[in-house]
Amino acid sequence: NAGVTQTPKFQVLKTGQSMTLQCAQDMNHEYMSWYRQDPGMGLRLIHYSVGAGITDQGEVPNGYNVSRSTTEDFPLRLLSAAPSQTSVYFCASSYGKNTEAFFGQGTRLTVV
Amino acid sequence: GIQVEQSPPDLILQEGANSTLRCNFSDSVNNLQWFHQNPWGQLINLFYIPSGTKQNGRLSATTVATERYSLLYISSSQTTDSGVYFCAVEREDYQAGTALIFGKGTTLSVSS
Repeated sequence: NAGVTQTPKFQVLKTGQSMTLQCAQDMNHEYMSWYRQDPGMGLRLIHYSVGAGITDQGEVPNGYNVSRSTTEDFPLRLLSAAPSQTSVYFCASSYGKNTEAFFGQGTRLTVV
Repeated sequence: GIQVEQSPPDLILQEGANSTLRCNFSDSVNNLQWFHQNPWGQLINLFYIPSGTKQNGRLSATTVATERYSLLYISSSQTTDSGVYFCAVEREDYQAGTALIFGKGTTLSVSS
């Protein structure tokens, strides 16, 4: 049982490039979300999903797109990377509405 | 939006000491969780505790929902307890599972 898997673990992008951060879970969880973590800021919610085909914005959604075509996968797309998007990104999932959340290992992204 | 405040921001302990971490939140919640982020960046769920008291080994947590605070107790601390402790909540009217709002964390350093 792999849990929540994020790829890649590290990435360097040039300003203006696009890329997709992958997140997959094998626990049949309905709920998934993306966070970014910056020094001194804790984790901030980017987007979340309550099931396949359903997504919504969190606290800091600008510059990011998501889709949820399957229960297992929840990719995060950066359309045009900016240095302000340099951060550590975490994906999380949970089984139900009021259950514990499980996090992936994180993706460290640097935009130069 | 809902505000989550954690105290103290930093805590330095000798091995074997006890500590109490506090989380205050500004609105009614139906989902409150405590996480430990280890020095390698991994986020581990410690407790799902929207109300009441739970214990897991040397750790215990209490949430008083009516007064909008939660406490995390660490007894007989060990060097492996070092890291950042986060409190995260979801508003009562949200039903989105992992759409959590995080505090900025308490950084704990335990020395031998």
